[in-house]
Amino acid sequence: DAGVIQSPRHEVTEMGQEVTLRCKPISGHNSLFWYRQTMMRGLELLIYFNNNVPIDDSGMPEDRFSAKMPNASFSTLKIQPSEPRDSAVYFCASSLQGAYMEQYFGPGTRLTVT
Amino acid sequence: KNEVEQSPQNLTAQEGEFITINCSYSVGISALHWLQQHPGGGIVSLFMLSSGKKKHGRLIATINIQEKHSSLHITASHPRDSAVYICAVTVRGSQGNLIFGKGTKLSVKP
Repeated sequence: DAGVIQSPRHEVTEMGQEVTLRCKPISGHNSLFWYRQTMMRGLELLIYFNNNVPIDDSGMPEDRFSAKMPNASFSTLKIQPSEPRDSAVYFCASSLQGAYMEQYFGPGTRLTVT
Repeated sequence: KNEVEQSPQNLTAQEGEFITINCSYSVGISALHWLQQHPGGGIVSLFMLSSGKKKHGRLIATINIQEKHSSLHITASHPRDSAVYICAVTVRGSQGNLIFGKGTKLSVKP
């Protein structure tokens, strides 16, 4: 298996532009997580899905952020409009559903908003 | 106060030394995870445990549920062990999302 795939790996954009991050989970995994990592706050959960349904989006910072999972093999995280404070590394992770399951992380997308 | 606290924040060791990284948490948990983040940024799961002790090669993870404390030990440390080690917990009753500690940056000198 190729593992969790994220694209793009790096994104540089100007403030106000729309940014879309993409994630393909490991085949057969039915839980998907979006995390954000910054120097100040470390790793934080943004949103997670079970069986393509959003379960907890309380970590999504504000209405500028939205996430979708239209099918079991694809998810997007969109920021519109982007701001410099959104600069961070965004990780996608997947697992089998449940509290005792190991999570597998993608390589991350490093976002820079100027 | 963070729900997951790690110590130390930074650790420098000489090759061959025995290393211990500590993690304390303040919530009820289903499981505790130890993750390794390489200098290049990738995150790898090392252990997931809910009781007792697990060993993989030179790495050992222990957890004391009553004391809400876990330790990660590295025996015979090597420069390739240099990385950030992150403790994370699955809160009891949740469906798997993780709460993370701030990480411990380990540097092993040859």
